[in-house]
Amino acid sequence: QVQLQQSGAELAKPGSSVKISCKASGYTFTSYYISWIKQTTGQGLEYIGYINTGSGGTNYNEKFKGKATLTVDKSSSTAFMQLSSLTPDDSAVYYCARGPYYSSYIYEGWFAYWGQGTLVTVSS
Amino acid sequence: DIRMTQSPASLSASLGETVNIECLASEDIYSDLAWYQQKPGKSPQLLIYNANSLQNGVPSRFSGSGSGTQYSLKINSLQSEDVATYFCQQYNNYPLTFGSGTKLEIK
Repeated sequence: QVQLQQSGAELAKPGSSVKISCKASGYTFTSYYISWIKQTTGQGLEYIGYINTGSGGTNYNEKFKGKATLTVDKSSSTAFMQLSSLTPDDSAVYYCARGPYYSSYIYEGWFAYWGQGTLVTVSS
Repeated sequence: DIRMTQSPASLSASLGETVNIECLASEDIYSDLAWYQQKPGKSPQLLIYNANSLQNGVPSRFSGSGSGTQYSLKINSLQSEDVATYFCQQYNNYPLTFGSGTKLEIK
């Protein structure tokens, strides 16, 4: 079965960086892109961007350019998101999700599979 | 960015009732709309995609409708396990955007 297993909770200091992982299993990793989504109580769900798991190409929400860096390791079917120059506003639960899916004639922009979420807390 | 305005923000209904949740897009999204259910401490779960297609394994009491800029999620015969927060999401244009959520409680 499809699973996305994220790394554990992070407690980070302002100005530092964290790197979250998302290990996929149960499907062909490079058939689907991986997206990252931020959830806070105040702002709800915010789309950070996606990575093409085959080519490593990325598409970022303008809001998160310079904040998030998405990478992938095909050999381990793992996607990563690094968050830099952390501030308290970056405190949130971060999810990876499988998708979008693109083929010659098909685009699927919804997310049928999500990781369990990684809580990032930024505090001095 | 496409703005998704979801209403109501919260909803209280009795078991067995029918509830409707609305999502209004700031521009035409051509039915590129999904609905999710999220229970406390859990990840969102896909209910509906393409505005009205039921995801595999989702009970048939959930249904979606709409077109253009207006969409809705209907839950028939409300069950206790439907207590959750519901979100809409458009995927017609990047960045993908979500509604602010509707918290559903049992009266």
